[in-house]
Amino acid sequence: NAGVTQTPKFQVLKTGQSMTLQCAQDMNHNSMYWYRQDPGMGLRLIYYSASEGTTDKGEVPNGYNVSRLNKREFSLRLESAAPSQTSVYFCASRGTDTQYFGPGTRLTVL
Amino acid sequence: SQQGEEDPQALSIQEGENATMNCSYKTSINNLQWYRQNSGRGLVHLILIRSNEREKHSGRLRVTLDTSKKSSSLLITASRAADTASYFCATEEYGGYNKLIFGAGTRLAVHP
Repeated sequence: NAGVTQTPKFQVLKTGQSMTLQCAQDMNHNSMYWYRQDPGMGLRLIYYSASEGTTDKGEVPNGYNVSRLNKREFSLRLESAAPSQTSVYFCASRGTDTQYFGPGTRLTVL
Repeated sequence: SQQGEEDPQALSIQEGENATMNCSYKTSINNLQWYRQNSGRGLVHLILIRSNEREKHSGRLRVTLDTSKKSSSLLITASRAADTASYFCATEEYGGYNKLIFGAGTRLAVHP
């Protein structure tokens, strides 16, 4: 099992460009999450999906959209990137009680 | 805003010593979890303690929870250089619908 996979690993964007971060899990989990981690800080929840077909805002949703494509895949889209969105983005899925994290996408917006 | 406040922000010890990290939180919780993050990697779950538990052990890890003080501690005994990482507490709020709220973390450095 690969667990939680994320693509790409690194990305550099110019202000105003758009992109989609991809996440997939092979553990048959219902719930999936997108977080961002800024230097010296913990993770902040952007959006989550409690089950296929549902999505909800987290703590910092502004500037982002998500799609729960199917049970396996949960994507995060930046429609018009801003320098404030420079961060490391983590996807996670939830097992019985705990969350399993992907390796992260390091995004820089110039 | 983040739920957990961790203390200390950074900790530097020698191999073989014990490391203690503390976490405080603000609201009623279902459970509190500790995660480890090696540099540049994703988080890995270490241990979960439920709101009706006071202490839990897993290998060299010991976690305590005091719901009256809204605080938890993580003790790593006989630390090793491989324990060097950042450690985060995360709380699942009561009625929180499976969402976790993370603290800012403690950076632990274990020197050989």
